[in-house]
Amino acid sequence: NAGVTQTPKFQVLKTGQSMTLQCAQDMNHEYMSWYRQDPGMGLRLIHYSVGAGITDQGEVPNGYNVSRSTTEDFPLRLLSAAPSQTSVYFCATRSRSMNTEAFFGQGTRLTVV
Amino acid sequence: AQRVTQPEKLLSVFKGAPVELKCNYSYSGSPELFWYVQYSRQRLQLLLRHISRESIKGFTADLNKGETSFHLKKPFAQEEDSAMYYCALGYSSASKIIFGSGTRLSIRP
Repeated sequence: NAGVTQTPKFQVLKTGQSMTLQCAQDMNHEYMSWYRQDPGMGLRLIHYSVGAGITDQGEVPNGYNVSRSTTEDFPLRLLSAAPSQTSVYFCATRSRSMNTEAFFGQGTRLTVV
Repeated sequence: AQRVTQPEKLLSVFKGAPVELKCNYSYSGSPELFWYVQYSRQRLQLLLRHISRESIKGFTADLNKGETSFHLKKPFAQEEDSAMYYCALGYSSASKIIFGSGTRLSIRP
């Protein structure tokens, strides 16, 4: 039982490059979310999904796309990376019941040069 | 709009001293409130939730709806409490959780 797995752990991109951050869960949770963590700003919600085929924007969605074709996977795409997207990215999952715990991946540290 | 405010970026206290990490929220409905902790080089993990009304690792937090606060308290700090602490608000039928900016707690020996 791996829980929430993010790949890669580290990535360096050049400005304008594209990439996909992977998030996979084996907890059968309906809800999945992507956050970015920046010093002094905490975790900010980028996109979230309440189930396969359903996604919605969070607080800071610009520059990112997501899709949810299966319950298990929720990839985050950067179409044209910018230095402002240098951050640590966390994926989280949660069951649909109220007041339940969110489980986090170990994070992806992304640097855009 | 929904918001979580943690006014202290850094809190430094001596071992054995009391600790209080402040959290205020803005939400017109019934909130789900949580405290998450991130120890060095580890992933975020749940510390406690308001609905449970329990003490975890000596920490407690009481929801005060009048003051819209959910402060985290511990009577006697320990060195292993040094970490980053995030207050979080769940809403929209539990589908969304937003976080405060975090407070780094440093316990001095």
